[in-house]
Amino acid sequence: DVKVTQSSRYLVKRTGEKVFLECVQDMDHENMFWYRQDPGLGLRLIYFSYDVKMKEKGDIPEGYSVSREKKERFSLILESASTNQTSMYLCASSFPGSNTGELFFGEGSRLTVL
Amino acid sequence: QKEVEQDPGPLSVPEGAIVSLNCTYSNSAFQYFMWYRQYSRKGPELLMYTYSSGNKEDGRFTAQVDKSSKYISLFIRDSQPSDSATYLCAMWGGSNYKLTFGKGTLLTVNP
Repeated sequence: DVKVTQSSRYLVKRTGEKVFLECVQDMDHENMFWYRQDPGLGLRLIYFSYDVKMKEKGDIPEGYSVSREKKERFSLILESASTNQTSMYLCASSFPGSNTGELFFGEGSRLTVL
Repeated sequence: QKEVEQDPGPLSVPEGAIVSLNCTYSNSAFQYFMWYRQYSRKGPELLMYTYSSGNKEDGRFTAQVDKSSKYISLFIRDSQPSDSATYLCAMWGGSNYKLTFGKGTLLTVNP
């Protein structure tokens, strides 16, 4: 079975802290994505990566960075967390040869910044 | 005009009802149309996908795409309480890595 694992389901951090969100997939997918999901705003793409050490900005990259040192792992970094980054963060992966563009999602990491 | 519009609901129906969920879109380059289901506190999972126009049926679920109207629908027959979830439409042009999502419709099926 396809598996995308996000290491932390719930986090509470303070303003200004550095936050790492980790995501691992076991499907050998080249593409990996980070989204945030907020009520009334839906899913918004933060960053994506189509290969190791490659990254592309999504629609809302400000305040975030990413790291992809290994194919199976994609990390989202909040350099200095702010309250407006309180959200549900979803990691996803896909196979570039897919004829549907199907994304496989993790269960999400709910981050609260106080 | 947003690329994808989806009524957020919430939609509440009795068990056994037929449910219709819809999205409209503006980008005529979209070719692949998907419906994701997201249970509370979980990540979305792919429910159905359709390529180009037409219908696709899978058990109690039917997906319809009308490219001439830029309108897609998901029908759920004999709805069950286990169908209670947020349903997100998603679209893809086939030439880049990014899906475009609707904001999701929250559905509750009452026993």
